Amino acid sequence: DQQVKQNSPSLSVQEGRISILNCDYTNSMFDYFLWYKKYPAEGPTFLISISSIKDKNEDGRFTVFLNKSAKHLSLHIVPSQPGDSAVYFCAASRTGANNLFFGTGTRLTVIP
Amino acid sequence: KAGVTQTPRYLIKTRGQQVTLSCSPISGHRSVSWYQQTPGQGLQFLFEYFSETQRNKGNFPGRFSGRQFSNSRSEMNVSTLELGDSALYLCASRGGVQPGETQYFGPGTRLLVL
Repeated sequence: DQQVKQNSPSLSVQEGRISILNCDYTNSMFDYFLWYKKYPAEGPTFLISISSIKDKNEDGRFTVFLNKSAKHLSLHIVPSQPGDSAVYFCAASRTGANNLFFGTGTRLTVIP
Repeated sequence: KAGVTQTPRYLIKTRGQQVTLSCSPISGHRSVSWYQQTPGQGLQFLFEYFSETQRNKGNFPGRFSGRQFSNSRSEMNVSTLELGDSALYLCASRGGVQPGETQYFGPGTRLLVL
């Protein structure tokens, strides 16, 4: 049972435009959410996170939005750069369990 | 600091064999988690070790086991390999086990079962 879902396997965006990656979850007990980026032949790299007490967290070009009522979060990258091309994984955890539940990933391609 | 290292990076085995994968966490990190990544399934949690004790276990059969040594290095063992065990196995370490502590991943071991 996939508790964290990324319904778009791929996304293509022009350089300089906004990239929006989406993620949905089913478990209302999740209280911490993260985004990881993965390049081929490398492990996932932590990008940005958000606690369930917040609805937005920003770090440079990356912003994560959380909508708890809809059980939905999104990652915005502005402006997108060719180096952002990678697979992005959404992950969630809950207090007491601590292990991460990952989505299946979205492959982002930023076209120069 | 050196990152998380995993050995070997690539492995080919046949059905019925067993395999042992190794993970060395970032220096000072005491928690090690293992994940399996397969196409279409994303990363699925196998287990987590902290101070040589298994804290948490995912929904995998008993053929998958692990352990952690006093220096925090961890090994994962899969016995009686099946074709479906072909995957990228990722190890992640973090300093402690508080919620929100960032996990740092190694490059993974790619296992192919023939």
